[in-house]
Amino acid sequence: SQTIHQWPATLVQPVGSPLSLECTVEGTSNPNLYWYRQAAGRGLQLLFYSVGIGQISSEVPQNLSASRPQDRQFILSSKKLLLSDSGFYLCAWSSRGLGNRYEQYFGPGTRLTVT
Amino acid sequence: AQTVTQSQPEMSVQEAETVTLSCTYDTSESDYYLFWYKQPPSRQMILVIRQEAYKQQNATENRFSVNFQKAAKSFSLKISDSQLGDAAMYFCAYRTYNNNDMRFGAGTRLTVKP
Repeated sequence: SQTIHQWPATLVQPVGSPLSLECTVEGTSNPNLYWYRQAAGRGLQLLFYSVGIGQISSEVPQNLSASRPQDRQFILSSKKLLLSDSGFYLCAWSSRGLGNRYEQYFGPGTRLTVT
Repeated sequence: AQTVTQSQPEMSVQEAETVTLSCTYDTSESDYYLFWYKQPPSRQMILVIRQEAYKQQNATENRFSVNFQKAAKSFSLKISDSQLGDAAMYFCAYRTYNNNDMRFGAGTRLTVKP
């Protein structure tokens, strides 16, 4: 069965510090990968998605970047955090190819607080 | 652009009763998928049910069922025999066959009263 991991679970960082959140998927190959942000009490905002190694699409211009160095690894980064970067970050995957149902499966999330 | 609207920020239901959560969406596409996700206090997003737009039959998963009205662009979720564990935020989501992103509604917070 497929499993998706995210770490860290919780992070408190000062303004101006760098960020690196990691997401890995097990039990599947060549997945689509996604990064979402959820503000308190709000819906999900898609930040980035990737259809393959080194292929990143950005939905919203912002202070964040994403990379996919390996097939099942997706990293969210920032060089200098802003207060507005605080939120709950969710990684998700979906399968590709014939017969897939297009639903996305989510990791446990990372709660980021920028102070 | 496709949008998803959940007009009920909060809903409440008595344990063992039935509740319906509303969702409408806007699209010019004819082929797409619709989903309901549940987000309990742990904040783990859990897929509850999916519906393919080309299927006329409404999807059902145990106590969860949908009322899919394609012409009205409506996709409501019915929870029967509500349980305390059903208390959560529920998100309606939409995606087309060709796009890689999924559009989410703002969510409905469901409270289940014992």
